Amino acid sequence: QVQVQESGPGLVNPSETLSLTCSVSGGSISNYYWSWIRQPPGKGLEWIGYMYYTGSINYNPPLKSRVAISVDTSKNQFSLKLTSVTAADTAMYYCARHRVQMEAHDGFALWGPGTMVTV
Amino acid sequence: QSVLTQPPSVSGTPGQRVTLSCSGSNFNIGNNYVYWYQQFPGTAPRLLIYRNDQRPSGVPDRFSGSKSGTSASLAISGLRSEDEADYYCAVWDDSLSGWVFGGGTKLTVL
Repeated sequence: QVQVQESGPGLVNPSETLSLTCSVSGGSISNYYWSWIRQPPGKGLEWIGYMYYTGSINYNPPLKSRVAISVDTSKNQFSLKLTSVTAADTAMYYCARHRVQMEAHDGFALWGPGTMVTV
Repeated sequence: QSVLTQPPSVSGTPGQRVTLSCSGSNFNIGNNYVYWYQQFPGTAPRLLIYRNDQRPSGVPDRFSGSKSGTSASLAISGLRSEDEADYYCAVWDDSLSGWVFGGGTKLTVL
């Protein structure tokens, strides 16, 4: 059974870079699109961006100038970096696998438990 | 403000049928599949409906989805106390070239 787990520092100083990792176990990171999604406390969900194991990437336009998503297939992991963070970036950060192989426009079927990041 | 519009709250009594709405545009709902997610406090969202009206295995048939034009709906029949949660719609937006979520609807079972 495939499981995903987010990890990273729970506290980041303003203006610094937030770095998170999503580790995939029980299955390969290959052949699926993977997304980062965040949720500020008490608020709704916001898609950050997705990546494919080949390196194909797409970011949410409002965040594009500050976001970088990368993949490490040897470790079955992918990562999120968000630069110049402010209090507005305080949120629960989730990684999620898209539902259908090789399809970026199919929704998010498998979610990690999330990791809370406070700026 | 979200690209997709959902009512902030909906309530119902046990056994009742409730409908949650999600309104968008031709760039998103009008041209792409709609997905619905259920989220309980302190937990990750769970896929409830995919491709407008399909249920993943394990989702009770009390939950049903539909789409018409630039709007979508999630219906819950035989409402139960355990259905009390937040519900989000999501869809790919061709104009933004990205995924968008509705602001979410908090369902209260009275």
